[in-house]
Amino acid sequence: ELKVEQNPLFLSMQEGKNYTIYCNYSTTSDRLYWYRQDPGKSLESLFVLLSNGAVKQEGRLMASLDTKARLSTLHITAAVHDLSATYFCAVEPDSNYQLIWGAGTKLIIKP
Amino acid sequence: DTGVSQDPRHKITKRGQNVTFRCDPISEHNRLYWYRQTLGQGPEFLTYFQNEAQLEKSRLLSDRFSAERPKGSFSTLEIQRTEQGDSAMYLCAGRTEPNYGYTFGSGTRLTVV
Repeated sequence: ELKVEQNPLFLSMQEGKNYTIYCNYSTTSDRLYWYRQDPGKSLESLFVLLSNGAVKQEGRLMASLDTKARLSTLHITAAVHDLSATYFCAVEPDSNYQLIWGAGTKLIIKP
Repeated sequence: DTGVSQDPRHKITKRGQNVTFRCDPISEHNRLYWYRQTLGQGPEFLTYFQNEAQLEKSRLLSDRFSAERPKGSFSTLEIQRTEQGDSAMYLCAGRTEPNYGYTFGSGTRLTVV
């Protein structure tokens, strides 16, 4: 069974702190996606990671992919309140084009 | 504006009624996907079109669900004889090439009462 597990599922942190969200998956894949979702809204694409060792950064967020370990991380540096949202990782298995999603990490950043 | 439009944004319907949702991707999106998301969960794949051909259908998609993409442009998702368990956000996503990301629309929130 294809599984994508995110850890933690809930994270409350203070502004200015650093933290990492982990995404483990069970299938072979070279494609991993990170999305952000605000309450009641759709999904906003953050990062597309297409190969082993890929690292991408945008502002205070940095994502990386280790396909051998089947692990991706989303690192938050010096968090600010505006980053409060739910973050999803999704994996596209080699065998087809559908996305398998994690359950999401709800991030609350307190001022 | 993500470039993928969905209509309506919200739909409240009585159990047993039929509903139809529409998705308009941009012209470059030769690939189109439907996903369903319930509260507190990640999206679940429903179906996928490449141009006008429906290439994959999830086992989640019962006989009450049907999707079309005539002429490879807009797509519709119809649910017949709605049930309370169909209440969810229905998301449409477009994509150009496999090495590009998916662009999601704003979604249609369905409530079955």
